[in-house]
Amino acid sequence: AQSVSQHNHHVILSEAASLELGCNYSYGGTVNLFWYVQYPGQHLQLLLKYFSGDPLVKGIKGFEAEFIKSKFSFNLRKPSVQWSDTAEYFCAVTPFSGGYNKLIFGAGTRLAVHP
Amino acid sequence: NAGVTQTPKFQVLKTGQSMTLQCAQDMNHEYMSWYRQDPGMGLRLIHYSVGAGITDQGEVPNGYNVSRSTTEDFPLRLLSAAPSQTSVYFCASRYGPTDTQYFGPGTRLTVL
Repeated sequence: AQSVSQHNHHVILSEAASLELGCNYSYGGTVNLFWYVQYPGQHLQLLLKYFSGDPLVKGIKGFEAEFIKSKFSFNLRKPSVQWSDTAEYFCAVTPFSGGYNKLIFGAGTRLAVHP
Repeated sequence: NAGVTQTPKFQVLKTGQSMTLQCAQDMNHEYMSWYRQDPGMGLRLIHYSVGAGITDQGEVPNGYNVSRSTTEDFPLRLLSAAPSQTSVYFCASRYGPTDTQYFGPGTRLTVL
């Protein structure tokens, strides 16, 4: 069973709608957290990452994520999506229990934004 | 820099055949990983390496071998291909455990 859970497999939004994608992990102890994006036909790219400090992390293209340690969550948000945000989004975790060596991905959320 | 390169881009194998997927990076990254991407499953870690001569298993290592004789190269070997290994394979690298991971363009493998 995967230890990184993304609740929504498919999300459909209209342009200007707000976005929140859920991510939960099941590792205890310290973790590093990432969100990656894969645009159609392209490589995965890093959107943002969290290691320590302010639990609200800002990334590229207006995305942000909030780390809530008590809920083992790292949800991705964007106040107003654009058609160009259509992509697949992956949450990923490097758990301290693996010496931060393993980067484990969730199953992904496919986002479609309609004009 | 070329970044992370993978060859071939596409491959069709028959059940039982063996082959090696090549991966190279020119960024002097210590950490390299192999993932497979399947619909609805996301990316699953096959094997990874934290430096030349050091490899370890990921989430789905069965049926695959790796070696890391140099910092630059991290080939993935399929010992006896099975239809369940039909997938898109991504190689990735990063400098250290907390650094951004860079992905190669992928190899689409079909096993008949």
